[in-house]
Amino acid sequence: NAGVMQNPRHLVRRRGQEARLRCSPMKGHSHVYWYRQLPEEGLKFMVYLQKENIIDESGMPKERFSAEFPKEGPSILRIQQVVRGDSAAYFCASSNPAGGNEQFFGPGTRLTVL
Amino acid sequence: GESVGLHLPTLSVQEGDNSIINCAYSNSASDYFIWYKQESGKGPQFIIDIRSNMDKRQGQRVTVLLNKTVKHLSLQIAATQPGDSAVYFCAENIAGANSKLTFGKGITLSVRP
Repeated sequence: NAGVMQNPRHLVRRRGQEARLRCSPMKGHSHVYWYRQLPEEGLKFMVYLQKENIIDESGMPKERFSAEFPKEGPSILRIQQVVRGDSAAYFCASSNPAGGNEQFFGPGTRLTVL
Repeated sequence: GESVGLHLPTLSVQEGDNSIINCAYSNSASDYFIWYKQESGKGPQFIIDIRSNMDKRQGQRVTVLLNKTVKHLSLQIAATQPGDSAVYFCAENIAGANSKLTFGKGITLSVRP
């Protein structure tokens, strides 16, 4: 019974490049959440998606960031033209609407922008 | 603005002692609260949750207390073990909304052998 999977676990990009972070939710989960964690800080909500729909993107920066959760395949968080301030750990969580509020987290992707 | 915050950044306890980690919240609309444990290099791990219609909930070695009057949440860990060393976060959201979690900053628990 695999948990939430994220890849890559570590990603290094140079300024101006694109970063693609992938998240596969737990089996049976149709809701995905992305959070960002800066060093020594708590997690900050970015976006909440259901299959093929963005439900809440109030935490997403207005530019360069986008997210999708297609009908088939993992959820993707895409960061275009990365800057050093994008360096952080990005966590994905999933939930089952029939199972209550509990969100299960993946191991995260640690993005380093050089 | 509304936020979830923790009183202390670090807590050091002797192995075998009880630990108490405190958290303040300010969003009066929140009615679901969760404690997460995060070990180095890993994602947050669910510990225990509580809904606002309860004051106390117990798990295995852990107890969560909720005081809605002063908007205070605490996590008690009995007989703290070295494996309990981690960063602990409280988080809140609105039950039933499948909505985003709002996390506190985190507190580091260090267990002395």
